[in-house]
Amino acid sequence: DTAVSQTPKYLVTQMGNDKSIKCEQNLGHDTMYWYKQDSKKFLKIMFSYNNKELIINETVPNRFSPKSPDKAHLNLHINSLELGDSAVYFCASSPPQGHTEAFFGQGTRLTVV
Amino acid sequence: AQTVTQSQPEMSVQEAETVTLSCTYDTSESNYYLFWYKQPPSRQMILVIRQEAYKQQNATENRFSVNFQKAAKSFSLKISDSQLGDTAMYFCAIREGGGADGLTFGKGTHLIIQP
Repeated sequence: DTAVSQTPKYLVTQMGNDKSIKCEQNLGHDTMYWYKQDSKKFLKIMFSYNNKELIINETVPNRFSPKSPDKAHLNLHINSLELGDSAVYFCASSPPQGHTEAFFGQGTRLTVV
Repeated sequence: AQTVTQSQPEMSVQEAETVTLSCTYDTSESNYYLFWYKQPPSRQMILVIRQEAYKQQNATENRFSVNFQKAAKSFSLKISDSQLGDTAMYFCAIREGGGADGLTFGKGTHLIIQP
């Protein structure tokens, strides 16, 4: 009964490839996010979706494209992968109320070689 | 834009001791929420405690409590009777306004509990 699940947990790929990370939440939340955690453990928001609509799009390369087919899913597609894309990517969700925490998936460790 | 500063990259204490992790933040909003998350080696992000800015009372969750000083924009986390399982990265975070706004995190403090 994982609340926020993302697949795969680990992803190793070569430079130049295109890859996707999938995320699903069964909490009935309206808002979903993608965060990136770099090698120094710094977490930064990439995207925020509310009811399938893009709300936040931080300065990330346009090689990164989120797609939300429905309220429960938010996938991250990355084109032309680069070495610097290596990081842990977290999906998260939260209800509309600001005082409620975000619930995180277990993260996807992406390694570009 | 909001910012969060954690000035202690790493801390180490003995088991059963009390430890305080510091966090300061900056925001122009009057309505915001503060959180402490724990990230053990398993990588999972786990909520430790949260505080609504409009509440004067400091939040407490079992061995975890906060010292929220709104005027000073300070939000420290105190862990009492520390346990080996408390070893983890601890992140302070702020969210302004509604739920669609994401969290802004500090750089984290690596807490090590020594046996």
